[in-house]
Amino acid sequence: AQSVTQLGSHVSVSEGALVLLRCNYSSSVPPYLFWYVQYPNQGLQLLLKYTSAATLVKGINGFEAEFKKSETSFHLTKPSAHMSDAAEYFCAVSDPGQGGKLIFGQGTELSVKP
Amino acid sequence: DTEVTQTPKHLVMGMTNKKSLKCEQHMGHRAMYWYKQKAKKPPELMFVYSYEKLSINESVPSRFSPECPNSSLLNLHLHALQPEDSALYLCASSQVRTSGGADEQFFGPGTRLTVL
Repeated sequence: AQSVTQLGSHVSVSEGALVLLRCNYSSSVPPYLFWYVQYPNQGLQLLLKYTSAATLVKGINGFEAEFKKSETSFHLTKPSAHMSDAAEYFCAVSDPGQGGKLIFGQGTELSVKP
Repeated sequence: DTEVTQTPKHLVMGMTNKKSLKCEQHMGHRAMYWYKQKAKKPPELMFVYSYEKLSINESVPSRFSPECPNSSLLNLHLHALQPEDSALYLCASSQVRTSGGADEQFFGPGTRLTVL
């Protein structure tokens, strides 16, 4: 079965610092991978997705993620954090054999200090 | 229109009440989803509709009853809920998976449900 592990339930960075949120997946088949962001009292917004077209994926709001098959990782990065980036971030994997079902990681809460 | 809308935004109900949550999308998506999300947790899938037919039921108690009247609408009927059912209920939609496709899901803002 597919699974996703997000290392670190809470990450704190200073404004302007590098953001690195970690995601590892387990999959016996090539996965589809997603990063979603959830601001307080809102739904989930898609940041970016990996669909095997390119290993470095650029998303919205300056975020990007790199797919590394050898490490089964899909870490999310942003060169310079803004206060507005403070939110909950979820990594998710979609199994082609499970009818579109998304498997979510436990989430990482990002705090940005002024 | 790339938006999924949900009504109401907030709902407070007693354990004997009957209420419904509504979800609507106009992106031409033929897959629609209900999720339940507790605080500080990821969304948990409840139901999936594909072409207006229920395709996945994640062993959800019968006090939750989904309905998909047409390709744009999704309802969740609630009856005799328990306080532990209090949560954020999210609706999502996507294209139906085709060979080689990645079905990113578009989420609505959610309904915050409180059961007293």
